[in-house]
Amino acid sequence: AQSVTQPDIHITVSEGASLELRCNYSYGATPYLFWYVQSPGQGLQLLLKYFSGDTLVQGIKGFEAEFKRSQSSFNLRKPSVHWSDAAEYFCAVGARGGSYIPTFGRGTSLIVHP
Amino acid sequence: DAGVIQSPRHEVTEMGQEVTLRCKPISGHDYLFWYRQTMMRGLELLIYFNNNVPIDDSGMPEDRFSAKMPNASFSTLKIQPSEPRDSAVYFCASSSPTGALTDTQYFGPGTRLTVL
Repeated sequence: AQSVTQPDIHITVSEGASLELRCNYSYGATPYLFWYVQSPGQGLQLLLKYFSGDTLVQGIKGFEAEFKRSQSSFNLRKPSVHWSDAAEYFCAVGARGGSYIPTFGRGTSLIVHP
Repeated sequence: DAGVIQSPRHEVTEMGQEVTLRCKPISGHDYLFWYRQTMMRGLELLIYFNNNVPIDDSGMPEDRFSAKMPNASFSTLKIQPSEPRDSAVYFCASSSPTGALTDTQYFGPGTRLTVL
């Protein structure tokens, strides 16, 4: 079964600074990979997803993520963080074939200082 | 599209009472998921349906929890009797996997349940 680890529970950055949120997965083959964002009091919203092809994936709100097979990672990046990016970020991994049901990480809480 | 609709948004009840959470998935989606989110355990998948049929309910914590999907546009999650440890945010999500690709899960806004 697949699993995903988000090693950082909290990340604090200053507005305008760059951001990288870490995600490591465990799966025997190339997985499907997702990043979701949850703003306070809201449901989860998809930022981006990787299925195949180009390992650098562009998403909404200026986010991107890079799939690195050798490191089993799918880190989320943004070159310049805005105060509105403060939220909880979830990485998820889905297995190819079978149920396609993704497994979610525990989440990383992003705090943005003015 | 209105997205996934959940009701109520907030529910406060007393221990021992029955609680029913409701979900309307996005029209045309054939998968529906119920999740529970707590600080201690994160986001947990409770059960999911495909074409109104429960496929995997291994995440349902105990017999006090039950879920139904009588038609493609409506699902309920029921807790009877409720206990304080059931306090959490419950999310419903829907998706429509097509071909070899797994589609995005679209989440509702959640129901915040407080059991006193």
